[in-house]
Amino acid sequence: DTAVSQTPKYLVTQMGNDKSIKCEQNLGHDTMYWYKQDSKKFLKIMFSYNNKELIINETVPNRFSPKSPDKAHLNLHINSLELGDSAVYFCASTPRGFDEQYFGPGTRLTVT
Amino acid sequence: DAKTTQPTSMDCAEGRAANLPCNHSTISGNEYVYWYRQIHSQGPQYIIHGLKNNETNEMASLIITEDRKSSTLILPHATLRDTAVYYCIVDYGGSQGNLIFGKGTKLSVKP
Repeated sequence: DTAVSQTPKYLVTQMGNDKSIKCEQNLGHDTMYWYKQDSKKFLKIMFSYNNKELIINETVPNRFSPKSPDKAHLNLHINSLELGDSAVYFCASTPRGFDEQYFGPGTRLTVT
Repeated sequence: DAKTTQPTSMDCAEGRAANLPCNHSTISGNEYVYWYRQIHSQGPQYIIHGLKNNETNEMASLIITEDRKSSTLILPHATLRDTAVYYCIVDYGGSQGNLIFGKGTKLSVKP
């Protein structure tokens, strides 16, 4: 069974579109995250979400909005996609902030 | 910004120990040292973490200096599958637990 899963694995779309990436974890963890890895391979935290409390990273444009229908899911919705949004997006979860984080396989987003 | 400094790349012969250094001279008393790795095109994988004492698990050992300003990750018997980018991360481990990744060390294990 996959601990942290993401769909889709690949997403190609045009500028200006709105898209969502889904993340699910079956580990019973309380905290989930979204990370972005750009073309230079830098991996940066975007959001963390702990038991319905959303912690927003100030460097993330408000076009990005995480949505959590329940504790096992943290979806990432992106409005008005831009070329610079092209990257690999990773979801992760952890039982507690100082425990190990489990990462999903990533979603490669390409904006044309 | 990442609080750690790591060599850009290292090579290791298969079957030998891989020792990956990390400097974190500005670490504070309540910050943990975490190690993750990322094998090509996959999500990062947790390896080990520690606060003050040396730690060992089934994957690796973590040696933290007494002043906590540097640490070394040891893979005792490197295999080709250990080829990856290894990230040393310092984090206070609070409720957010936001990991700040640096550039990491690209470890190449060669036959």
